[in-house]
Amino acid sequence: QTVVTQEPSFSVSPGGTVTITCGLSSGSVSTSYYPTWYQQTPGQAPRTLIYSTNTRSSGVPDRFSGSILGNKAALTITGAQADDESDYYCALYMGGGISVFGGGTKLTVL
Amino acid sequence: QVQLVESGGGVVQPGRSLRLSCAASGFTFSSYGMHWVRQAPGKGLEWVAVISYDGSHKYYADSVKGRFTISRDTSQNTVYLQMNSLRGEDTAVYYCAKRFDESGSYYPAFDYWGQGSLVTVSS
Repeated sequence: QTVVTQEPSFSVSPGGTVTITCGLSSGSVSTSYYPTWYQQTPGQAPRTLIYSTNTRSSGVPDRFSGSILGNKAALTITGAQADDESDYYCALYMGGGISVFGGGTKLTVL
Repeated sequence: QVQLVESGGGVVQPGRSLRLSCAASGFTFSSYGMHWVRQAPGKGLEWVAVISYDGSHKYYADSVKGRFTISRDTSQNTVYLQMNSLRGEDTAVYYCAKRFDESGSYYPAFDYWGQGSLVTVSS
């Protein structure tokens, strides 16, 4: 059973930089997993931020960026703003049509 | 503009069935793969199923395989999720989501999501 791991929570100061990671319970994340990142605020549908490791979705500010850091996918927010306070999820494509989401990271901006 | 509108949710007893619909508009429905993603109350997102643009390929999460069936009707611009043998752990908001491109790939990159439909499985 493949488990996709994320930090449960993170805190960042306004204007600061935060990196949220997305790993595997066994093995390393590479671009072959097409890491995708989503943002969700309470009561709302998710929004896709980054797909295929580092491609921003239309309309997503460039303070959001994606990468591979070591053996994990990473979402970096540079110059965090108050309205970035949300839940962030990653998803990895396992092949054979199957995708798995991480457990989510709750980001607090204070 | 692109719209995805889910319907069909509600309260259902364990072991019973329910069918969700996702009515799509504002794009060429027959060109895009479509996914279902769910979220249990207070929990994270869970990928459920995907159907290819032409309906020829369908894939499911292990948690729903053999119980759920995804399908699409191009004449109605609608994707469905037939849910059988429902369990308490299937209680969730179910979102349909549109693949962002026509590449035929299955990785879960979406440009539009529906507003969600709540399914509650309870006796």
